[in-house]
Amino acid sequence: GNSVTQMEGPVTLSEEAFLTINCTYTATGYPSLFWYVQYPGEGLQLLLKATKADDKGSNKGFEATYRKETTSFHLEKGSVQVSDSAVYFCALIGYNFNKFYFGSGTKLNVKP
Amino acid sequence: ETGVTQSPTHLIKTRGQQVTLRCSSQSGHNTVSWYQQALGQGPQFIFQYYREEENGRGNFPPRFSGLQFPNYSSELNVNALELDDSALYLCASSLEIGGANTEAFFGQGTRLTVV
Repeated sequence: GNSVTQMEGPVTLSEEAFLTINCTYTATGYPSLFWYVQYPGEGLQLLLKATKADDKGSNKGFEATYRKETTSFHLEKGSVQVSDSAVYFCALIGYNFNKFYFGSGTKLNVKP
Repeated sequence: ETGVTQSPTHLIKTRGQQVTLRCSSQSGHNTVSWYQQALGQGPQFIFQYYREEENGRGNFPPRFSGLQFPNYSSELNVNALELDDSALYLCASSLEIGGANTEAFFGQGTRLTVV
């Protein structure tokens, strides 16, 4: 079956620190992989995505590379800001494409 | 802003009652999916509607039902509410259901509290 596992939070960093949030997946076939971000009291916003192996998704300084050999899609950012504080969800769409499978979310706190 | 609108934003219901949540999808999108997000958890797929027909259902009991209208807006109905139904309910709209480049746009969600 399909599933997503991501590192538990909260992750607390100082401003300008390097961020890594680990995500691994199990899937049948060739999934598309996503990172969504959720700010307090809001819905989900697409941060980035990758649709095939070795693709790199990037947006707003965040990056993630689709690694088929390690079934991973780790989120990275070189220098976090206070405004990046949010909950980050790793997700996949399986081969039948009709629904997302989400990880449990990782809360990021960035301190000035 | 995604163009996906959900109403109401917050709701308090008593155990055993029924509730209807509404979603207006982004213009041109014919597919709507509903997710339940319990506190501290990731969203869980409830079901999806494509052109007014149910197109896949997650592991939720039949008291969770839905509807999609000709304008592609959608409703989620929950009967016989239980305390564990307290969650954020998210609606996502997309254009078509397939393809690796399918992109879903999420609404702000409806926070349901069952007391």
